[in-house]
Amino acid sequence: GAGVSQSPSNKVTEKGKDVELRCDPISGHTALYWYRQRLGQGLEFLIYFQGNSAPDKSGLPSDRFSAERTGESVSTLTIQRTQQEDSAVYLCASRSPGGYTEAFFGQGTRLTVV
Amino acid sequence: DQQVKQNSPSLSVQEGRISILNCDYTNSMFDYFLWYKKYPAEGPTFLISISSIKDKNEDGRFTVFLNKSAKHLSLHIVPSQPGDSAVYFCAASAQDNDMRFGAGTRLTVKP
Repeated sequence: GAGVSQSPSNKVTEKGKDVELRCDPISGHTALYWYRQRLGQGLEFLIYFQGNSAPDKSGLPSDRFSAERTGESVSTLTIQRTQQEDSAVYLCASRSPGGYTEAFFGQGTRLTVV
Repeated sequence: DQQVKQNSPSLSVQEGRISILNCDYTNSMFDYFLWYKKYPAEGPTFLISISSIKDKNEDGRFTVFLNKSAKHLSLHIVPSQPGDSAVYFCAASAQDNDMRFGAGTRLTVKP
């Protein structure tokens, strides 16, 4: 497809389990971002990948969160030992090189930890 | 570390009137600014942007104003329509492509 694709669209998991969220960016987009939006709150920055540079992980809330990206393609966000406060919509966005362009978002993954 | 701030969580306006959404930023390295609109259960969609070399950008009913000295930008929607009701996010970007968002403002346009 032409847009940013995220999977799964919904995920319900038990507290303490690990989850993996996937993002397929738009082809050719070197920048990839992960954000999350908890209920009633704004967009919270998690991590940012730019080409082959070291990712900016400054937004990851704890060491239970990690993300990987292979080259300029798919990214996975992994949450270990999930907790109820991890429940949120996790949004991925990608952006073409150059800086003065917009980022395109996927539909998000709604994660519910029960 | 909130580098981009939207201090009004909500705004309600009457159809046909002007909506003004505000955004402040702290990082002087930001040189490109964007507004996104988000409906429930959808990802944010791009609305309008402005680079730091300009102080105004207009696209139909939407105009973004940038005041670099005050590190402030605003989005004007005129005339407002009920279909404009959504959450609006302000974003700022630096040369290295890093992009940060504000917390959003929920706009309600009443018929």
